[in-house]
Amino acid sequence: QVQLVESGGGVVQPGRSLRLSCAASGFTFSSYDMNWVRQAPGKGLEWVADISFDGSNKYYTESVKGRSTISRDNSKNTLYLEMNSLRAEDTAVYFCAKVAATGIRKYFDYWGQGTLVTVSS
Amino acid sequence: YELTQPPSVSVSPGQTASITCSGEKLEYKYVCWYQQKPGQSPVLVIYQDANRPSGVPERFSGSISGNTATLTISGTQGVDEADYYCQAWDSNTGIFGGGTKLIVL
Repeated sequence: QVQLVESGGGVVQPGRSLRLSCAASGFTFSSYDMNWVRQAPGKGLEWVADISFDGSNKYYTESVKGRSTISRDNSKNTLYLEMNSLRAEDTAVYFCAKVAATGIRKYFDYWGQGTLVTVSS
Repeated sequence: YELTQPPSVSVSPGQTASITCSGEKLEYKYVCWYQQKPGQSPVLVIYQDANRPSGVPERFSGSISGNTATLTISGTQGVDEADYYCQAWDSNTGIFGGGTKLIVL
């Protein structure tokens, strides 16, 4: 069965960096695009970043562009999100999500349990 | 690009709930719907406008017309009380609606 397990969250000071990981199993990781989605406390879902199956294409929401990097290691079945210059508004639960289909038909068929990032001094 | 959902929808058990999602030229995109219960991860309930994943009850259905997509829950049950989010893609960017809290009372 598909499993996505995020890690790397915690409390971090504003301006510092953090790297989130998502360990995938139960499917051929290297064949699927992957995404990060976040949810601030008490708020709705916000798409963060997308990476193609081979890592060749990456897209970001405007608020993290230039401060964050999505990457993957297909040999380790792991997705990453490196976040720099963290701000209070980055405080959220970060979910990794497996993508099904392609282009505008894409959707998230599996989600991890999420990891909480708290940006606070 | 924005997707607009009503903040809340109330329905009586056994009745039909309709949750809307509006966006410019939405009929030219593909909409999916996620259900999220408190403290849990989102779960896909409808993809590509009207397709239901295996394991999702038949009472969940989706449709789209013009600028509005609709998630319909027929014979709503108490277990359906949750937040529902629509989602689509625009210029390689994922867009979520603000979410709708379904209240079953």
